Amino acid sequence: DAGVIQSPRHEVTEMGQEVTLRCKPISGHDYLFWYRQTMMRGLELLIYFNNNVPIDDSGMPEDRFSAKMPNASFSTLKIQPSEPRDSAVYFCASSGRFSSTDTQYFGPGTRLTVL
Amino acid sequence: QKEVEQNSGPLSVPEGAIASLNCTYSDRVSQSFFWYRQYSGKSPELIMSIYSNGDKEDGRFTAQLNKASQYVSLLIRDSQPSDSATYLCAVQFRSDYKLSFGAGTTVTVRA
Repeated sequence: DAGVIQSPRHEVTEMGQEVTLRCKPISGHDYLFWYRQTMMRGLELLIYFNNNVPIDDSGMPEDRFSAKMPNASFSTLKIQPSEPRDSAVYFCASSGRFSSTDTQYFGPGTRLTVL
Repeated sequence: QKEVEQNSGPLSVPEGAIASLNCTYSDRVSQSFFWYRQYSGKSPELIMSIYSNGDKEDGRFTAQLNKASQYVSLLIRDSQPSDSATYLCAVQFRSDYKLSFGAGTTVTVRA
């Protein structure tokens, strides 16, 4: 199994530009999570999907952030327009069955730098 | 506001010693508890999960849970330099099933 795949691994952009982060969950997993990690705020859940449907987006910081999951094998997190304070590592994670006994498997992350 | 707090680090221990990590949480209706390890520049990986009061052992790792005190801990026995990492405590609150993470404790094992 290839694990959770994220792209790009690193992204450097200028303030005001659109940024799109991509994630491919583990095959067969029906839950997908997007997290953001910074030194100041730690690891924060932004949004999660179940069977491609957004369940809870209360962690999305602003309307500049949006996420989609058009099918079971692909999700995107978009920031438009980007700001320097969006600089962080963004992780995607997936799990097979959302119960108390299921493990969330994290992708390698995308390190975003907004200049 | 559901909160997960971990003891402040960094924690430095000599090789072969026991490293003790602590975590408290605010919501009494929490049901699942996890310890993730994160090496610098890498993603979190699950090392322990615990769901009921008491101890759970897995190799050199022991997780301890006390729901009455809202406390979960992780012991690393016979610490090795390869254990040097940040350890994240995560709590799954029953009300919404999301994972909330603590800020992490950085452990350094001195050879």
